[in-house]
Amino acid sequence: DAGITQSPRHKVTETGTPVTLRCHQTENHRYMYWYRQDPGHGLRLIHYSYGVKDTDKGEVSDGYSVSRSKTEDFLLTLESATSSQTSVYFCAISPKYEQYFGPGTRLTVT
Amino acid sequence: AQTVTQSQPEMSVQEAETVTLSCTYDTSESDYYLFWYKQPPSRQMILVIRQEAYKQQNATENRFSVNFQKAAKSFSLKISDSQLGDAAMYFCAYRSARASGSGGGADGLTFGKGTHLIIQP
Repeated sequence: DAGITQSPRHKVTETGTPVTLRCHQTENHRYMYWYRQDPGHGLRLIHYSYGVKDTDKGEVSDGYSVSRSKTEDFLLTLESATSSQTSVYFCAISPKYEQYFGPGTRLTVT
Repeated sequence: AQTVTQSQPEMSVQEAETVTLSCTYDTSESDYYLFWYKQPPSRQMILVIRQEAYKQQNATENRFSVNFQKAAKSFSLKISDSQLGDAAMYFCAYRSARASGSGGGADGLTFGKGTHLIIQP
């Protein structure tokens, strides 16, 4: 196992509420990523981080923000959740050029 | 931008036989990495095999091997002696080796839409 955990693993929330997903690693890797997985789309990059307080946008970043105040934690925030953000969210770390994924969080926005 | 295409939404194979999953990609870069990931019903994304574009030799991991054709931009996965535990979604993925301006090569993976592999007992 790559030493990545995600919390919560499942969440149901209402439209318009803020939601924060947490990714925690025990490997002390510099690079961390957030992806979303939707049917028919594979995984798509939301945001990534290349160090504490250093983040950048991915392909589908609208409606999401991230923060990284410690090497081990990378937070994904939906400021005001919408039904289109119902998805499975994966965190990943990158020791070299390959990436290893956490177990995923299933988020449902009603 | 790079794109990855998996043209087979679903494949079926008899247990113990060999199956090949197709993947093509489009890029203008010469240096990159390619991957196959497996996603069983548990939803966990598992790295199966990786290939560096600068290496001509095809990667092999036990029963899994790839056919990497750089000029054709093709990266197929061959599974030999298929087992029931191989049943899963398989995703092909691309990563640039180019150092980005801020992240030093921290760009994420670009995935195909996946192939659902069914193993018939």
